[in-house]
Parts: sequence; structure tokens; C-alpha cells
Amino acid sequence: GAGVSQSPRYKVAKRGQDVALRCDPISGHVSLFWYQQALGQGPEFLTYFQNEAQLDKSGLPSDRFFAERPEGSVSTLKIQRTQQEDSAVYLCASSFEGETGIEQFFGPGTRLTVL
Amino acid sequence: AQSVTQLDSQVPVFEEAPVELRCNYSSSVSVYLFWYVQYPNQGLQLLLKYLSGSTLVKGINGFEAEFNKSQTSFHLRKPSVHISDTAEYFCAVSVDKIIFGKGTRLHILP
Repeated sequence: GAGVSQSPRYKVAKRGQDVALRCDPISGHVSLFWYQQALGQGPEFLTYFQNEAQLDKSGLPSDRFFAERPEGSVSTLKIQRTQQEDSAVYLCASSFEGETGIEQFFGPGTRLTVL
Repeated sequence: AQSVTQLDSQVPVFEEAPVELRCNYSSSVSVYLFWYVQYPNQGLQLLLKYLSGSTLVKGINGFEAEFNKSQTSFHLRKPSVHISDTAEYFCAVSVDKIIFGKGTRLHILP
């Protein structure tokens, strides 16, 4: 496909369950970003990869959150022992760094609901 | 650190009327500025961006924004809105990573 894809689109988890959210960036895009968007809020930065290197994880809210991009393409955001406050839409974005500024292309998001 | 303030959480406007969505930012360094739109149940889509040069930036769907450095503003405008413009609009600032505002929901009234 031409755009960023994310799966699953919807996930319901029981509190304490582990979840894994997948992001397929646009082919050839070097940078990949994860955001958390709570209801009624703007997206908040979680973490950033350049190829397989995780350059910034300052936005991860706790050590229950873990992200990886082992081959510099697909990325997985894992949340361990989910809590109700983890309920949000998780957005993935990718960009091809060039001279025109950091334009990011967003996927449709995964809506996580923790019961 | 950078921050973005969107002054209105909701803006109602009649169809075919003009609209302005306000955005102010703060930063100690030069930044890139963006407006994104999020239609219901869809991902974020870039409307327009300011990197440098002309302070009036034209984007998709008839939107434009003006960068005002002295007022640290980047307000979004459209001269005549359509029902299809109903969406959430996010202003964003970027140095190394993007910081988003809380969003403004645009309601188009018939």
C-alpha cells in the first residue's frame, strides 16, 4: 500500500493483559514515530526511531511501554500489564527526511480500550 | 521546550462563511509549523506547513495560514467553509519532534 498501515485497528484488552500494536511505515521512510492520543486531546509523542535505532523514548509514560523496530521497517509498540489509563488511540507516523522539513505521514491508528 | 496553544476547543460556523482557527506557539529556537486535519475515524492528514520564506502558506482544500513571528501565531483560515470541512484541526510545532496542540473541532452549521 501507499500509506502507513496499523494493525489491529481496534483492540480490547482486560486490565493486566499484554498487547502488541503493529505499524507498517511507508516503504523507504527512515523515521518512524509513535504517538498516544487520548480522547479529546491532541497526539502526544511517545518515541522515535531512525532506521532501527530508537533515538528518543522520552515520551513513553512508564516502563510498561516498549517499542522496537528491529529491521528498520515494521515497528511494534508493546504495552505490558495494561491499565485503564492506557486506553487511547495509538498513532504511528513515518517520514522520509529531506530538505523540506519533517513532514510526517500518519496511519489510521489503533484504538485500545482497556476494561 | 516548545509548546502549542489552540485557543478554541470548538468553533461553530455556518456553511459558506469564513473561518479562522487560532494557534499560538512558544519556542526559543526557530521552528517548523504545521496544521493537520483529522476526519472522523481517520488518521491525521497534513493541511499545510511553514518552513521558511513567505509567511502566507497555502494548503489543500482551500485553507491557508499566516505565520506571524512577532505574535508567535500561525492562524488557519478559509474564506468559505463546506460541510465536508467538519473535522478536528491540530496545530503543531516541530524542532526535532512534533508537538501538537489539543485540537479545534470545526462544526459546520447548515
